[in-house]
Amino acid sequence: NAGVTQTPKFRILKIGQSMTLQCTQDMNHNYMYWYRQDPGMGLKLIYYSVGAGITDKGEVPNGYNVSRSTTEDFPLRLELAAPSQTSVYFCASTRRGFMDSPLHFGNGTRLTVT
Amino acid sequence: AQSVTQLDSQVPVFEEAPVELRCNYSSSVSVYLFWYVQYPNQGLQLLLKYLSGSTLVKGINGFEAEFNKSQTSFHLRKPSVHISDTAEYFCASWESGYALNFGKGTSLLVTP
Repeated sequence: NAGVTQTPKFRILKIGQSMTLQCTQDMNHNYMYWYRQDPGMGLKLIYYSVGAGITDKGEVPNGYNVSRSTTEDFPLRLELAAPSQTSVYFCASTRRGFMDSPLHFGNGTRLTVT
Repeated sequence: AQSVTQLDSQVPVFEEAPVELRCNYSSSVSVYLFWYVQYPNQGLQLLLKYLSGSTLVKGINGFEAEFNKSQTSFHLRKPSVHISDTAEYFCASWESGYALNFGKGTSLLVTP
């Protein structure tokens, strides 16, 4: 099992550009999440999904969009990139609930918007 | 709303010394608590969790945490740290809904 795979690992965007951060998992997990991590601020939830076709906003969804057409994939779309979106982005997944299955994280995508 | 507060942003410690990383939670009902560790340039991984039962929870790599309901704390401890324990540690809680709520993290720096 590869676990949770994120691509790319690094990216530099110019203000106003758009991009998609890819996330795929091969563990047949139902729940998937996107977090952003800023220094000293911990992890903030952007969007999450509890199954294919179902997505919902987290704490900081503005400027982002997601889709969940398959169980495996949960891409995060940035439209009109802004410097405030400079961050490290983590995708995570879990089978169902937190009581019996931990969150599995990818290794992150480091994004810089200049 | 539930939340966790990690009381120290950085904790420097010498190798083989004991360490305690502090976490307080706020909740008036049942809450489930977790500690995650993030090694440099990696994602987070679960260290341990408290769901119910014994208040002393043992995790991987020799870490343990104690759930203290009266003090609303869930501090992480290790009796003797190694250089390889240098990492960012996150306390997290779950009360309801579909997502964990993470603290801001504590950076543990172990030096020889």
